[in-house]
Amino acid sequence: QQQVKQSPQSLIVQKGGISIINCAYENTAFDYFPWYQQFPGKGPALLIAIRPDVSEKKEGRFTISFNKSAKQFSLHIMDSQPGDSATYFCAASSAGQAGTALIFGKGTTLSVSS
Amino acid sequence: NAGVMQNPRHLVRRRGQEARLRCSPMKGHSHVYWYRQLPEEGLKFMVYLQKENIIDESGMPKERFSAEFPKEGPSILRIQQVVRGDSAAYFCASSQGGIPPQHFGDGTRLSIL
Repeated sequence: QQQVKQSPQSLIVQKGGISIINCAYENTAFDYFPWYQQFPGKGPALLIAIRPDVSEKKEGRFTISFNKSAKQFSLHIMDSQPGDSATYFCAASSAGQAGTALIFGKGTTLSVSS
Repeated sequence: NAGVMQNPRHLVRRRGQEARLRCSPMKGHSHVYWYRQLPEEGLKFMVYLQKENIIDESGMPKERFSAEFPKEGPSILRIQQVVRGDSAAYFCASSQGGIPPQHFGDGTRLSIL
């Protein structure tokens, strides 16, 4: 299976709150899991990525949690700000095999209210 | 600007015309990927190229679509005899040596009248 399933489709969070976006995958050959942030009219920008040898990776207010046995990973945005309002995509690929394409989730539209 | 450059940013074509989308990878990158994004959808892989070679075109429609990445110049995604269903945002990404991460351009928004 090549699918990556992402939820929720949309999310509204108050300023200062925690935003949580979840993704699940089927293909056990996937070994690279990035999150991309996309603003209207722009291309996806790499936010943070994780490989399955660690269960968590943190960069500033952004954290990826990874559960290999459940084949799930999630993005947590702490202290969410209005400037975080964007569409977020999870993705997966087999990084160990050079040149493999990213398989994307359908995206989550995050709105942070001030 | 050392990022991935795509042009044009917006392209309008009438049904039956040809569309040519260009992508210059980041400096030092020789691996290019093309993705298509339909409204309310995630990005779908189309084709992966290295200089002068198509490595994986498994996501490319069999007809009307072609891609190239010549030794000199940008990568080109070509759509012949466009139809309304080709309306989408087309994104190019590049990587160094085919290893993640992939860095994306700002896309070409193709509209078919």
